[in-house]
Amino acid sequence: EAQVTQNPRYLITVTGKKLTVTCSQNMNHEYMSWYRQDPGLGLRQIYYSMNVEVTDKGDVPEGYKVSRKEKRNFPLILESPSPNQTSLYFCASSPVGYEQYFGPGTRLTVT
Amino acid sequence: EDQVTQSPEALRLQEGESSSLNCSYTVSGLRGLFWYRQDPGKGPEFLFTLYSAGEEKEKERLKATLTKKESFLHITAPKPEDSATYLCAVNKGYGGSQGNLIFGKGTKLSVKP
Repeated sequence: EAQVTQNPRYLITVTGKKLTVTCSQNMNHEYMSWYRQDPGLGLRQIYYSMNVEVTDKGDVPEGYKVSRKEKRNFPLILESPSPNQTSLYFCASSPVGYEQYFGPGTRLTVT
Repeated sequence: EDQVTQSPEALRLQEGESSSLNCSYTVSGLRGLFWYRQDPGKGPEFLFTLYSAGEEKEKERLKATLTKKESFLHITAPKPEDSATYLCAVNKGYGGSQGNLIFGKGTKLSVKP
C-alpha cells in the first residue's frame, strides 16, 4: 500500500531532550516536507526537500533540523526541544510538481 | 508579504444547501494553488491543483475555480460526509514544482442532515 508513515505517533518529552521524528514513504517520491499545525495558526511548513541531499527552509525552520540521505526517509530532528514546539507534526511527499500525500501526524508535547 | 486568507472560518450548511468557500492570496508569482480536505486527527487529503486564472476542476460535488487573486471551492448539494476542514495552499517554489507552500487557516464545514 502506498503510504507515508511517521513514528512515533504520540510523544511526550521534556525540555532539552533531543528527539527525532521519523518519516518514510514507499512511493519513490522526490519531494518531501515537514509541517506543524497549531490551533489558530494553521499548517506551516518547516523544511522541505526536493531530492536526496537537497533541503531548504520553509516558513518556520527555527529549532528544527532535517536530513535527506535516502530518498524514502526524511527525519525531523529537535536537538533541544522547547514547550513552544508542542504541536501536531505532519510529513508529506510527492513526485515533483504533483499533489502531496500526507502522513498520519505526530502529536508532540514538550513539558 | 505572501499571504493566504480563507473565508469563512466556519460554515454550517443543511444537507443539499449549496455554497462556496473562498481563498484569497497575495503571492508574487503564483506557481500553483492547491485545495486539501482534512478530517479531525488526520493528515490533509489532496483535492485539486489549479495553475492559471480561468482554470476549473471538478470532483463529485466539489468544483474549484481560480482567478488572479482568489480561488473558490463550490460545494453543490453537500452531504454530511462532506463535513471537514478545507485547506487552501499556494506554492511559491520553483517553476511548476511544489517547493515552499503557504497554507491558509482553513474553513471548517459542517453539513447537517
